Amino acid sequence: AQSVTQLDSHVSVSEGTPVLLRCNYSSSYSPSLFWYVQHPNKGLQLLLKYTSAATLVKGINGFEAEFKKSETSFHLTKPSAHMSDAAEYFCVVSDQSDYKLSFGAGTTVTVRA
Amino acid sequence: NAGVTQTPKFRILKIGQSMTLQCTQDMNHNYMYWYRQDPGMGLKLIYYSVGAGITDKGEVPNGYNVSRSTTEDFPLRLELAAPSQTSVYFCASRNIIMNTEAFFGQGTRLTVV
Repeated sequence: AQSVTQLDSHVSVSEGTPVLLRCNYSSSYSPSLFWYVQHPNKGLQLLLKYTSAATLVKGINGFEAEFKKSETSFHLTKPSAHMSDAAEYFCVVSDQSDYKLSFGAGTTVTVRA
Repeated sequence: NAGVTQTPKFRILKIGQSMTLQCTQDMNHNYMYWYRQDPGMGLKLIYYSVGAGITDKGEVPNGYNVSRSTTEDFPLRLELAAPSQTSVYFCASRNIIMNTEAFFGQGTRLTVV
């Protein structure tokens, strides 16, 4: 079975500084990996996805992530945080064993003015 | 396209009551999922379906039932509501053949009192 560990439960950054959210995964197959964002009392929005194409994936709102098979990681970055980035972020893994989506526990991002 | 539609958006149940959470998708996706979200816990898989007539348990199926009589609909049934089922419920669908991301509904906030 596949699984995900988000290494930080909470990240606090100043506006205009870089954001790094860390995600490690476990999968016996070639995984598909996703980052979703959830703003307070809202649904889940896809930021970006990796599905075995380019290992550096660009998403919406300036976010990107790099798939590193040797490190089993899929960290999410953004060069410059904006106040609107304050939200909960989920790393998700899926593979062809059963195509379930396994979620990490989430990382809460706070952006200081 | 409406995407994934969940009803109702909010519901308060008394202990022991039953209800059905409705989920409909109009994208002709084969896979559908039900998740529950509790604070700080990420999303946990309740049930999923690989196509009409086929369903399987996820991580936390106890107290719930599902059916999938059509490609479009995947209702979740709570037979005897308990306070532990107070949560936010999300339905999702996905095209496994195209290996797309999962598309989520807006969620149902359920409180059992």
